[in-house]
Amino acid sequence: AQKITQTQPGMFVQEKEAVTLDCTYDTSDPSYGLFWYKQPSSGEMIFLIYQGSYDQQNATEGRYSLNFQKARKSANLVISASQLGDSAMYFCAMRGHNQAGTALIFGKGTTLSVSS
Amino acid sequence: NAGVTQTPKFQVLKTGQSMTLQCAQDMNHNSMYWYRQDPGMGLRLIYYSASEGTTDKGEVPNGYNVSRLNKREFSLRLESAAPSQTSVYFCASRGGIHQETQYFGPGTRLLVL
Repeated sequence: AQKITQTQPGMFVQEKEAVTLDCTYDTSDPSYGLFWYKQPSSGEMIFLIYQGSYDQQNATEGRYSLNFQKARKSANLVISASQLGDSAMYFCAMRGHNQAGTALIFGKGTTLSVSS
Repeated sequence: NAGVTQTPKFQVLKTGQSMTLQCAQDMNHNSMYWYRQDPGMGLRLIYYSASEGTTDKGEVPNGYNVSRLNKREFSLRLESAAPSQTSVYFCASRGGIHQETQYFGPGTRLLVL
């Protein structure tokens, strides 16, 4: 069965510092996709970054990068130069080949708090 | 371009009442999804629709029905609401550059008393 594990319930960082949010996954499919979403206190789910299992390079989107280590089955999110607006819940998700085909399987999330 | 919209934003129901959550997307995506989010948890799939005219059950379909009215609209119906259905409901559609990304609506907060 496919599974996403986020072991950090909460992370604290100061402005302008970099932070890494951990995510490990479990799947037996050779083809899969990995995603990170941000959920601020207002509640919406905001797509941040995507990594395909066959992508040779780690994905980057502005201040976000995904540290993809296939052999270790990890897909950590790195946020460089944290800002106060980065305070939110962050979810790692995987597109698996479950009964719902392309539906996403989510981890339980990590709450990031950025202080000045 | 509004993306994914959901109505209502908030609803209070009594046990046994019925309601329909509406979702629409204007991105011309084929696949649409309904998830629920409970406290301290990630999202779980209720139902999905790979294309107009097709729907399939997800991880937690009991107590729900769906209708894919056309390519734009995908509704979720609670026939007889129960307190266990108190949750935040998100609709999503899939597309984008990688054809993989799911884009979410703002969510509906449902309280069943």
